Amino acid sequence: QKEVEQDPGPLSVPEGAIVSLNCTYSNSAFQYFMWYRQYSRKGPELLMYTYSSGNKEDGRFTAQVDKSSKYISLFIRDSQPSDSATYLCASHYGGSQGNLIFGKGTKLSVKP
Amino acid sequence: ETGVTQTPRHLVMGMTNKKSLKCEQHLGHNAMYWYKQSAKKPLELMFVYNFKEQTENNSVPSRFSPECPNSSHLFLHLHTLQPEDSALYLCASSGGTSGHNEQFFGPGTRLTVL
Repeated sequence: QKEVEQDPGPLSVPEGAIVSLNCTYSNSAFQYFMWYRQYSRKGPELLMYTYSSGNKEDGRFTAQVDKSSKYISLFIRDSQPSDSATYLCASHYGGSQGNLIFGKGTKLSVKP
Repeated sequence: ETGVTQTPRHLVMGMTNKKSLKCEQHLGHNAMYWYKQSAKKPLELMFVYNFKEQTENNSVPSRFSPECPNSSHLFLHLHTLQPEDSALYLCASSGGTSGHNEQFFGPGTRLTVL
């Protein structure tokens, strides 16, 4: 069983739509949960970062972690064509040992 | 130059060639990483260096040989590669290796092995 599962899509939505991106994870020891955004021909960049369970909001983006169901979500409100990218979820145990475990990434296209 | 830079951006090599990928970080970080990104697969961690010392080798074949001469530079030496090694190779750096340390990625080197 893969540690972080993510549907690779692709996902296509019209401009202004609410986008929901999701991941599941299998290891209950994970404490840190991240969403990275990767534009074409670029490296990933950190978009949102959550410690343990709960919600975190930053502008049009909301990250949500439910540790009871091992579910990670990213919501994008009022989606824009500039949001078109691949979104990668990642998890980490939290200590100095262990590494970021990534999902496959979901390719999102927002059509004008 | 700012952030994490990688050269070359594109590389085509034959299976008998020897080449090197270079990464440089201008962020004052202590940890550096090599990742492999293949289509429809998660990012795969290859190597981790912390304060120039290798702390992780994720069962990477010996045809990939990393080198970290100082905390700002990281190399990946390639020899006798296989076509399945074609991928995007990403370098990253962070302040430390704990979970709360953000990893900053370079743009990657697109490698094609013929």
